[in-house]
Amino acid sequence: AQRVTQPEKLLSVFKGAPVELKCNYSYSGSPELFWYVQYSRQRLQLLLRHISRESIKGFTADLNKGETSFHLKKPFAQEEDSAMYYCALSASNSGNTGKLIFGQGTTLQVKP
Amino acid sequence: DAGVIQSPRHEVTEMGQEVTLRCKPISGHNSLFWYRQTMMRGLELLIYFNNNVPIDDSGMPEDRFSAKMPNASFSTLKIQPSEPRDSAVYFCASTQSAINQPQHFGDGTRLSIL
Repeated sequence: AQRVTQPEKLLSVFKGAPVELKCNYSYSGSPELFWYVQYSRQRLQLLLRHISRESIKGFTADLNKGETSFHLKKPFAQEEDSAMYYCALSASNSGNTGKLIFGQGTTLQVKP
Repeated sequence: DAGVIQSPRHEVTEMGQEVTLRCKPISGHNSLFWYRQTMMRGLELLIYFNNNVPIDDSGMPEDRFSAKMPNASFSTLKIQPSEPRDSAVYFCASTQSAINQPQHFGDGTRLSIL
């Protein structure tokens, strides 16, 4: 079964510290993975996707097929990074309807 | 593009009343998703449509919930009768149906049932 697991419900770090938000997936094929960010009381916004191999707002994520992980990293956290982060997997067995499987989300709290 | 548009942004009503949430997807997108977000349960997929046809409604909590997509540019999620436990933020999202395409979310409807 396709599944996305974000083991940490809350991650609290100090400003300037490195951040790693964990995401593990279960999928038999070639995965397509995304990170979404949701700032307080706002919509979910696409942060980055693995196919683009880009860095957005200083965040990067590398797909590790051996460990079935897609962890989100940032070397120096900023207070404005405080938000909820969701990892998502494109569900190919849905017949290419665009369905995503979301993890439970991790709240990142960056303290001053 | 204005993005996914949801209305109303906020809805407060008394239990037992009918609630209708509305969504306009991004033009050209042919898949539409309704989600519910609560502190306790996180983000839940309720139902989704592809080319206006409901594909999977297994996430709809009860018969009190129904959703329609009469055309490519409009969808509704209806709760009748509403109950306090339906209080949540309801998001609509749309995408072009392809395996590597992201979903684009609306601003959500914050629903409070008293």
